[in-house]
Amino acid sequence: SQTIHQWPATLVQPVGSPLSLECTVEGTSNPNLYWYRQAAGRGLQLLFYSVGIGQISSEVPQNLSASRPQDRQFILSSKKLLLSDSGFYLCAWSSSRGPQHFGDGTRLSIL
Amino acid sequence: GESVGLHLPTLSVQEGDNSIINCAYSNSASDYFIWYKQESGKGPQFIIDIRSNMDKRQGQRVTVLLNKTVKHLSLQIAATQPGDSAVYFCAENKDQGNLIFGKGTKLSVKP
Repeated sequence: SQTIHQWPATLVQPVGSPLSLECTVEGTSNPNLYWYRQAAGRGLQLLFYSVGIGQISSEVPQNLSASRPQDRQFILSSKKLLLSDSGFYLCAWSSSRGPQHFGDGTRLSIL
Repeated sequence: GESVGLHLPTLSVQEGDNSIINCAYSNSASDYFIWYKQESGKGPQFIIDIRSNMDKRQGQRVTVLLNKTVKHLSLQIAATQPGDSAVYFCAENKDQGNLIFGKGTKLSVKP
């Protein structure tokens, strides 16, 4: 069966520091991959999606970037974090026609 | 703004009663809809999906109804249990597997 892993589960970072969040999927090939951000008590905002290695689409302009160095690996990065980058970050995968399946998220706090 | 929204932000039901969570969508061309359950501190969990060629789909204790005429989607939970307490999101497909999420309804189950 397919599984998705995100780490770390929680992260506290100072303003201006870099960021790297990693997501990996097991049990499937060539998945679509997604990064979302969720503010407290709010819905999900799509940040990036990828339909293949090296293919990244950005939904909103922001201080973050994404990369897909391997088929089942999706990384969310920032060179310099802002206070507004705080939130709950979720990775998800899907097949071409199926539902998205989410990881358990990373709670990011910027101080 | 989002094309998928929810009629009620909160819903409180008695344990054992049936729950109905509603969702409206605005894109009549959407052909795939999904319901997710999100517990506190976790990622959204897939519950059930439905394609636009169907009006109703049933799972274990859950039923999704789709009314394309009025662009309305509902999730029915039979014999609601305390473990059903969570935030429920509906989502519709956008393109390339991307989804548009509603803002969520918080379901509270009273013992």
